Amino acid sequence: GNSVTQMEGPVTLSEEAFLTINCTYTATGYPSLFWYVQYPGEGLQLLLKATKADDKGSNKGFEATYRKETTSFHLEKGSVQVSDSAVYFCALYGSSNTGKLIFGQGTTLQVKP
Amino acid sequence: GAGVSQTPSNKVTEKGKYVELRCDPISGHTALYWYRQSLGQGPEFLIYFQGTGAADDSGLPNDRFFAVRPEGSVSTLKIQRTERGDSAVYLCASSRPSGGGNEQFFGPGTRLTVL
Repeated sequence: GNSVTQMEGPVTLSEEAFLTINCTYTATGYPSLFWYVQYPGEGLQLLLKATKADDKGSNKGFEATYRKETTSFHLEKGSVQVSDSAVYFCALYGSSNTGKLIFGQGTTLQVKP
Repeated sequence: GAGVSQTPSNKVTEKGKYVELRCDPISGHTALYWYRQSLGQGPEFLIYFQGTGAADDSGLPNDRFFAVRPEGSVSTLKIQRTERGDSAVYLCASSRPSGGGNEQFFGPGTRLTVL
């Protein structure tokens, strides 16, 4: 079945450091891919998405490229801020149109000033 | 505009009791989803409604769990004979008619603790 695997956290970085959070997936067909973020005390929010191979999603300085050849959707940001501290979830929506998102286990990012 | 709301925000109950969790989706969103998030894990799908009907309930763990959406708006997740293992944050999300790129908007969740 479909699944998502994320790198384990927590990831601790200094402000202005480069961020990569790895995400790989297993899916049949052509899934859509998402990154959701959960800030402390808040609900899940969509950060970015990509719906077909080679698409790049971007938002708030974050980027992720849908790589079908490596079944990956790694999240990157060139210069993190303390305010980026949160839990990040990679997710996929399968092409079977069942409605459900399949999430990875989440990666906690801590950015220190 | 108003987002997805869930009540209560916290629920503490005793093992064996019955609980109801409510979700009020964004107005006009026909698709509604329930997920369960255990500590340190990502959300796990429970059930998906398109309108009033459950289009996919494959994630419900057993027959103690049931959800309804009688008028195609508010939904209630019902858990009978609660067990300690049911303790988790229950998330509700809504979207426009489900499709490959439609964003799901999440509520703040209900934290259920079964003592």
